[in-house]
Amino acid sequence: QSALTQPPSASGSPGQSVTISCTGTISDVGGYNYVSWYQQHPGKAPKLMIYEVSERPSGVPDRFSGSKSGNTASLTVSGLQAGDEAHYYCSSYAGSNNVVFGGGTKLTVL
Amino acid sequence: QLQLQESGPGLVKPWETLSLTCTVSGGSISSSSYYWGWIRQPPGKGLEWIGIIYYSGRFYCNPSLKSRVTMSVDTSKNQFSLMLTSVTAADTAVYYCARRSATSPNKIDYWGQGTLVTVSS
Repeated sequence: QSALTQPPSASGSPGQSVTISCTGTISDVGGYNYVSWYQQHPGKAPKLMIYEVSERPSGVPDRFSGSKSGNTASLTVSGLQAGDEAHYYCSSYAGSNNVVFGGGTKLTVL
Repeated sequence: QLQLQESGPGLVKPWETLSLTCTVSGGSISSSSYYWGWIRQPPGKGLEWIGIIYYSGRFYCNPSLKSRVTMSVDTSKNQFSLMLTSVTAADTAVYYCARRSATSPNKIDYWGQGTLVTVSS
């Protein structure tokens, strides 16, 4: 199983919106509605932000939203805040109880 | 509040076996609603899925690691463990234990703080 493809970096100014893409194949992203997104600050464990493509766990602001089209999933962060600066990783179920992660995107708030 | 805590040696010699344990508090590892898993992250790199185990002891691994990975669970201690054999420098990483929903197979909602394991002689 190959890693999902994410852009290495993304950026936006406070208050703006930014979208991060995550491209896989029919065997993972395209084949299941089980895409998740994680936020990771330096030295910290990842935090679940989105699951099942567009569901938000309790406590995650609605500024974070997810979507999917074909083999590509996307995470949109609206109303950017300084605290949103972090690495973001997508992941997808790939069948047989396996999961594949993306390479990560560093989000910079300008 | 559920908490997971990894423990084990921080340094392992090449070709030896890496062994880690995750202790779960604030919840039961015997719950039928969850699997318990391992994810690793080499320094400065992305996340890699290792595998998951159910309280029954059945486990599933990343195909690329399958030949070297064993997982086990000790319900009496509320712990689960990872063994990775024949390690090399490429296995140097922060190892996280985590909880995954049994009904949503990519919902990993609780993570341990992670433990760095270095493979070096």
